[in-house]
Amino acid sequence: AQKVTQAQTEISVVEKEDVTLDCVYETRDTTYYLFWYKQPPSGELVFLIRRNSFDEQNEISGRYSWNFQKSTSSFNFTITASQVVDSAVYFCALSEAYGFGNEKLTFGTGTRLTIIP
Amino acid sequence: EAEVAQSPRYKITEKSQAVAFWCDPISGHATLYWYRQILGQGPELLVQFQDESVVDDSQLPKDRFSAERLKGVDSTLKIQPAELGDSAMYLCASRIRASAGELFFGEGSRLTVL
Repeated sequence: AQKVTQAQTEISVVEKEDVTLDCVYETRDTTYYLFWYKQPPSGELVFLIRRNSFDEQNEISGRYSWNFQKSTSSFNFTITASQVVDSAVYFCALSEAYGFGNEKLTFGTGTRLTIIP
Repeated sequence: EAEVAQSPRYKITEKSQAVAFWCDPISGHATLYWYRQILGQGPELLVQFQDESVVDDSQLPKDRFSAERLKGVDSTLKIQPAELGDSAMYLCASRIRASAGELFFGEGSRLTVL
């Protein structure tokens, strides 16, 4: 069975500081996908990134960067120079294929990030 | 910008009553999902549709929950009778097909059962 662990329940940092959100996953599949979603107070989940298990290259998108390490089953997310608008709950998720080519997402419990002005 | 529409945004009901949630996915999206998110937890899949067919409802409590997508477009999730433990956010999501494309979420329907 697949499992996603986000050990950090809540994090608070002062604006402009860098912050890293941890994600550790478990899966038996060799082919899988990892995701990060942002959930602002309005409730919808906003897609940030999707990474497949064969691509371990780190990715940078503006102030966001992701570090994927299969050796430690981790997919960590770093926000550089944090801003108040980054305050939200962030979810890491894992997807395995199961029948009919479908993917089934398993979410972690989320990390609530608060950026203090 | 296209979005997943859900209604109602908020619903307060008493236990043992019936409640229904509606979702209209992004036009052209064949795959639709209903997730339940209990406060402080991540979303959990309840049911997945491919067009009008149920692909996975293994986590749907079928004694009280039902879901349909009769014409393969919009979908309804019903709870009857509601229980206190059903209080949660019910999120609808869609994607162009089951194994491709980004998953788009609606803003959710927050249910409070008294």
